[in-house]
Amino acid sequence: GEDVEQSLFLSVREGDSSVINCTYTDSSSTYLYWYKQEPGAGLQLLTYIFSNMDMKQDQRLTVLLNKKDKHLSLRIADTQTGDSAIYFCAESSDTGRRALTFGSGTRLQVQP
Amino acid sequence: DAGVIQSPRHEVTEMGQEVTLRCKPISGHDYLFWYRQTMMRGLELLIYFNNNVPIDDSGMPEDRFSAKMPNASFSTLKIQPSEPRDSAVYFCASIHNLGTRGTDTQYFGPGTRLTVL
Repeated sequence: GEDVEQSLFLSVREGDSSVINCTYTDSSSTYLYWYKQEPGAGLQLLTYIFSNMDMKQDQRLTVLLNKKDKHLSLRIADTQTGDSAIYFCAESSDTGRRALTFGSGTRLQVQP
Repeated sequence: DAGVIQSPRHEVTEMGQEVTLRCKPISGHDYLFWYRQTMMRGLELLIYFNNNVPIDDSGMPEDRFSAKMPNASFSTLKIQPSEPRDSAVYFCASIHNLGTRGTDTQYFGPGTRLTVL
């Protein structure tokens, strides 16, 4: 079955860039997503990328996709304390199944 | 739109009791998902519906769990009898299938934190 893996924890200083990595196994993955979860809240979609794209930029967020290596990354420029949260990578495959497979989440801690 | 609404936000119950979690999806969304989040297992898909019909319930842990969607604006997840290992945060999410892949953005509710003593 599909598997999505992420590192569990990342700590950065305010103003630095953060890079959160994700690997997936499903070669039929067609859409990959990054969700953010703040304490006590549900998941909020940050951005997504189609599998035929290598990069997508949205303000401070940059998503890089290496389809050959099945590696996805999320870069947050000028990280702020408000970016402290858990970030989930998720994938969906073009099988008609609408459910997403989520990674375990990476807890980002931003130190002032 | 108010977003996906879940109730209650917190539920504390004793082992053996019946628990019912409720979800109201975003109006017009035709897919509804139930997830469970724990520290040990992360986010797990339990079941999802399309147009009120269960499509995949392979993630439902056991017969103690059941889910219904009697209409397009309401779904329940029931646990009977509940056990301490059911303690988790349960999320509901919905999407509108526009028929174009890539627009399947799942909108999550705030979750119900269930504690079974």
